[in-house]
Amino acid sequence: DSGVTQTPKHLITATGQRVTLRCSPRSGDLSVYWYQQSLDQGLQFLIQYYNGEERAKGNILERFSAQQFPDLHSELNLSSLELGDSALYFCASSVTEEETQYFGPGTRLLVL
Amino acid sequence: AQKVTQAQTEISVVEKEDVTLDCVYETRDTTYYLFWYKQPPSGELVFLIRRNSFDEQNEISGRYSWNFQKSTSSFNFTITASQVVDSAVYFCALSVPYSGGGADGLTFGKGTHLIIQP
Repeated sequence: DSGVTQTPKHLITATGQRVTLRCSPRSGDLSVYWYQQSLDQGLQFLIQYYNGEERAKGNILERFSAQQFPDLHSELNLSSLELGDSALYFCASSVTEEETQYFGPGTRLLVL
Repeated sequence: AQKVTQAQTEISVVEKEDVTLDCVYETRDTTYYLFWYKQPPSGELVFLIRRNSFDEQNEISGRYSWNFQKSTSSFNFTITASQVVDSAVYFCALSVPYSGGGADGLTFGKGTHLIIQP
């Protein structure tokens, strides 16, 4: 158990809908990262927050957004969902931005 | 841009054999961090090791060992006396620090699916 928690574990929704994935980092970690794992694209970095501030963006679609709250938990919002958004979404956290990232168990999203 | 190549898509060996997973990386930065993660069938990503670019010492942890060679841009992972529990997908990853502090997200390879047969 890495200490990173993600909810929900599984999510099934329909095209066009909007969902929110939640992540609680390990105690003491200030940095949160979001990744998407799909069969087509592999593991891709989406976005990073550090102490509430957006710090880096990867291959994140405009339909996706995220934020990190004052209690350091983070949410990833996915809107106008498409079939291709079906994937495993991971959250990771680290003490600082240059330290090792520890991953949560992931949220498996299925868009029908 | 960074790139990580894991040329071995799948490796199958019989238990107790030694197996090496290859990782080749590309970056123009002189300071970078290399990682290996394990993804067992249950799906979570488990951190195994981190290496900084300025530390080329090889590392051994039990049955696991890592060979970092900057000259060939490789960071290979060897499992000695493999066990069925080692069956998983293994990912090599790279991150590069910003000049102003902080580091980018991880760039992952495609992963190597390791199958250990009893």
